[in-house]
Amino acid sequence: AQTVTQSQPEMSVQEAETVTLSCTYDTSESDYYLFWYKQPPSRQMILVIRQEAYKQQNATENRFSVNFQKAAKSFSLKISDSQLGDAAMYFCAYRRFYNTDKLIFGTGTRLQVFP
Amino acid sequence: GAVVSQHPSWVICKSGTSVKIECRSLDFQATTMFWYRQFPKQSLMLMATSNEGSKATYEQGVEKDKFLINHASLTLSTLTVTSAHPEDSSFYICSANYFGRAEAEQFFGPGTRLTVL
Repeated sequence: AQTVTQSQPEMSVQEAETVTLSCTYDTSESDYYLFWYKQPPSRQMILVIRQEAYKQQNATENRFSVNFQKAAKSFSLKISDSQLGDAAMYFCAYRRFYNTDKLIFGTGTRLQVFP
Repeated sequence: GAVVSQHPSWVICKSGTSVKIECRSLDFQATTMFWYRQFPKQSLMLMATSNEGSKATYEQGVEKDKFLINHASLTLSTLTVTSAHPEDSSFYICSANYFGRAEAEQFFGPGTRLTVL
């Protein structure tokens, strides 16, 4: 069975600084997707970034980038130039190749951003 | 595009009554919809996977007769909490995917807060 582990329950960062959130996963599949979702206080789940396992290049979306290490089954999220609006719960998620499959979420990391 | 709505956004009901929550994909057709439950400060727990025109697939430990799911069309799925009790109070979230786009991500609704008195 696939599992997703987020070992950092809480992280904090100062505004304009960089922070990295960790995520590891376990799977026997070769093709799959990994996601980082943000859940602000409104509780609306927002997709931050997506990585296809068959792509070696790390995904980037503006200030957000990932370090995808397939062999190590590691998928960390780096937030550069942190902003107050980045404060939220961040969930790492795994999904097998087809989007009819379910997402498997980690336990989440609460990110605080200090001015 | 890719908007998912949920109705109602919050509901308070008396113990023993049933509550229906709707999940709609507003601008796309969804092959599959998913229902999650989230307790405060916890992760999302998948309750069931709902496919249009077929029976939902429930996760282990989720009572099928308690949480009735109907996926009547490619844009609508409903979750009915039957004979609700205070322990059913939670935040319920649905998500939907794009029909015909195997690689696409799931899109989430804004959630429904259920409080059972």
